Amino acid sequence: KAGVTQTPRYLIKTRGQQVTLSCSPISGHRSVSWYQQTPGQGLQFLFEYFSETQRNKGNFPGRFSGRQFSNSRSEMNVSTLELGDSALYLCASSLLTAHYNEQFFGPGTRLTVL
Amino acid sequence: TQLLEQSPQFLSIQEGENLTVYCNSSSVFSSLQWYRQEPGEGPVLLVTVVTGGEVKKLKRLTFQFGDARKDSSLHITAAQPGDTGLYLCAVRSGGGADGLTFGKGTHLIIQP
Repeated sequence: KAGVTQTPRYLIKTRGQQVTLSCSPISGHRSVSWYQQTPGQGLQFLFEYFSETQRNKGNFPGRFSGRQFSNSRSEMNVSTLELGDSALYLCASSLLTAHYNEQFFGPGTRLTVL
Repeated sequence: TQLLEQSPQFLSIQEGENLTVYCNSSSVFSSLQWYRQEPGEGPVLLVTVVTGGEVKKLKRLTFQFGDARKDSSLHITAAQPGDTGLYLCAVRSGGGADGLTFGKGTHLIIQP
């Protein structure tokens, strides 16, 4: 069974630009969660999508948004990029809602903002 | 203030030695998870502990959940280079959010 895949794996952008990251969950999984990982703050929860609806959101500004498609694939978008947005962005999928089910993480997208 | 405090932040030891890393909090949790993350990869779940005082073993790794369910430890016996990685503890977020709250992790290096 294929794991969680994320594209692209690496991305370089400049301040002010926007970026879209993609996540394909494990087949059959309906929940996708997104996390930001930085050396200073560690891993922080961004949001969770389940059946195309955002269930929960972490403490991030509105520049961070996401969506989920009917096939459970998810995208997250960051607008007006700032230097501090440089991070590893991880997505995790689970069979049902993340609260009661094990989450499986993808390898992440390394975003560098110059 | 971090919800989960992990210590030590960095640890470098020789192959064959034993080690313990800690995850502490002032809050009580219904469950706690340990993950290992290797360079270029996402975290991989090692174990979930749910009962105060619970001890779980995974080969050379022993996980313990504190009696009061506020802290946990991970003990590795006879560490091997393959144990190298970032060890993270995590709990379910409160306040209705379902995301995981992670500690900042312990960077472990096992030298041959």
